[in-house]
Amino acid sequence: KNQVEQSPQSLIILEGKNCTLQCNYTVSPFSNLRWYKQDTGRGPVSLTIMTFSENTKSNGRYTATLDADTKQSSLHITASQLSDSASYICVAGLSRSNFGNEKLTFGTGTRLTIIP
Amino acid sequence: EAGVVQSPRYKIIEKKQPVAFWCNPISGHNTLYWYLQNLGQGPELLIRYENEEAVDDSQLPKDRFSAERLKGVDSTLKIQPAELGDSAVYLCASSPGQYNEQFFGPGTRLTVL
Repeated sequence: KNQVEQSPQSLIILEGKNCTLQCNYTVSPFSNLRWYKQDTGRGPVSLTIMTFSENTKSNGRYTATLDADTKQSSLHITASQLSDSASYICVAGLSRSNFGNEKLTFGTGTRLTIIP
Repeated sequence: EAGVVQSPRYKIIEKKQPVAFWCNPISGHNTLYWYLQNLGQGPELLIRYENEEAVDDSQLPKDRFSAERLKGVDSTLKIQPAELGDSAVYLCASSPGQYNEQFFGPGTRLTVL
């Protein structure tokens, strides 16, 4: 069964601190790994997309890593800001399925709260 | 550039009533998705369109859910009749192509009483 598991479920850190969110996936055949940020009451916004051959990708203070061998990814946030408070969702993409289409498997997200 | 537009943002209905959600994707995006998101969960795909063709509707409960994308632009998702368990956020997303970044709308929060 294709699955994406994220940890921790929730995290509270002080403003200015760094943090790392974890994602383990079991999807096959694996195609790409995406991280989304979802503010409360809004739709998810893409942060990074990595193919199976990429190890790291940055977007400002966000840096995602991918280890396709161990099927793990992480999202590192540097110098956190209050606006980083949101849910962060890890998504694994499968390569062409029986329908000839890509399938995305979403994790349940990590709820990050930044406190002043 | 305008993002994905959805309406209404909120909808409260009684069970057994019909409800419809509307989505206007980003101009030029051929691929359109409808997702369902329960509280504390990740989005789950309901249906994907390539232009006006529904190419993946395997997760759409066809007994009560229907969708259309006439002319390959705007899309409507309908539930008839709604059940209590349908209470969720319905997200629409679009992308230039199937393997590209998906841009999500703000969603419609449905409450079924």
